[in-house]
Amino acid sequence: DAEITQSPRHKITETGRQVTLACHQTWNHNNMFWYRQDLGHGLRLIHYSYGVQDTNKGEVSDGYSVSRSNTEDLPLTLESAASSQTSVYFCASSEAGGLYNEQFFGPGTRLTVL
Amino acid sequence: DAKTTQPTSMDCAEGRAANLPCNHSTISGNEYVYWYRQIHSQGPQYIIHGLKNNETNEMASLIITEDRKSSTLILPHATLRDTAVYYCIVRVPFYNTDKLIFGTGTRLQVFP
Repeated sequence: DAEITQSPRHKITETGRQVTLACHQTWNHNNMFWYRQDLGHGLRLIHYSYGVQDTNKGEVSDGYSVSRSNTEDLPLTLESAASSQTSVYFCASSEAGGLYNEQFFGPGTRLTVL
Repeated sequence: DAKTTQPTSMDCAEGRAANLPCNHSTISGNEYVYWYRQIHSQGPQYIIHGLKNNETNEMASLIITEDRKSSTLILPHATLRDTAVYYCIVRVPFYNTDKLIFGTGTRLQVFP
């Protein structure tokens, strides 16, 4: 069955380190998204991509970057981790085209920056 | 995208209908109403969406008022597994622009 996976599921790192969170989907979806979730804020969009070589900034993109070299993967990189980036990160994907396409979410990565 | 207002939390007895309200008084004519839910520690899950007609699927029903300024998600026979945070989202669907803006949602607690 098609799925969307994230790794690692838990990560502890130190301030200033570079961290990369992986997202892999086997739906063959063109659209992929990264969200973060903090208490009291719901989910907030970090970056998104509508296809290979396409990336766009979301509402909380500062300190994060993404790259899309193939359809299946959208890794999220924290260039220099900060304590404010301690959060739960969710990746999602959806089909391209059509009036509306359901987003499928991964299981999340819990990141702690000490 | 129009803003939404939802109660912070609600309770429901198992087996009873759970009615979750959402106000979207500034909704425009081409904006749809979507519902997602998030069970503890999991990624959000799509439930249903609609424009102006009532919608029903295997998970829930969506009732949108005639003026479209509010809607209600109905879980007809709530179970303990329906305990989750429910998000009401209003947006215009465009080709290839499936961004979702989540609010803080309603925490539904289903009790035995």
